[in-house]
Amino acid sequence: AQSVSQHNHHVILSEAASLELGCNYSYGGTVNLFWYVQYPGQHLQLLLKYFSGDPLVKGIKGFEAEFIKSKFSFNLRKPSVQWSDTAEYFCAVSTSGTYKYIFGTGTRLKVLA
Amino acid sequence: DGGITQSPKYLFRKEGQNVTLSCEQNLNHDAMYWYRQDPGQGLRLIYYSQIVNDFQKGDIAEGYSVSREKKESFPLTVTSAQKNPTAFYLCASNEDGGGSYTFGSGTRLTVV
Repeated sequence: AQSVSQHNHHVILSEAASLELGCNYSYGGTVNLFWYVQYPGQHLQLLLKYFSGDPLVKGIKGFEAEFIKSKFSFNLRKPSVQWSDTAEYFCAVSTSGTYKYIFGTGTRLKVLA
Repeated sequence: DGGITQSPKYLFRKEGQNVTLSCEQNLNHDAMYWYRQDPGQGLRLIYYSQIVNDFQKGDIAEGYSVSREKKESFPLTVTSAQKNPTAFYLCASNEDGGGSYTFGSGTRLTVV
């Protein structure tokens, strides 16, 4: 069965620290990859997505993610986090031609001012 | 502005009662979804619909039912058969297979 793993469940960083959140999936075919963010009290919104092409994708608010096909990974990065990045982050995968996503369990990020 | 409207935001239900959660979208999206969000478990798919008058079970459909009579609307009924209904319920939609989702703001259901 397809699955998505986010190994970091809780991350605490100080402002200006660098961030990398891991995401691995299990599926051998073509995939579409997403990172969503849920700020406190707000609804889920898209951070970035990868469908094809350049494996390094840039999203909103300075976030980027790199698709490494050989490692089945799509890690999220940000060089310098801000207090406002405190949120829960979800990785999701959909297989080409299907509608539904499979979500990871989420990573709660807390950034200390 | 286009988007997804979920109502109500908070819902309390007595044990043994059915309750229906509303989801309406004005994005002209074909596909709609219901997810359940529990702490530490991420989002789990309950039901989804790719087209009007058709829907499919997701990973945790037991104790839930849906209908898709109109493109804009995808209500979810939480029945008394759902053993642990207290959760945060999210509705989403997208335009075509594999495209990015738009999410609603969610409904928090509490069984009292």
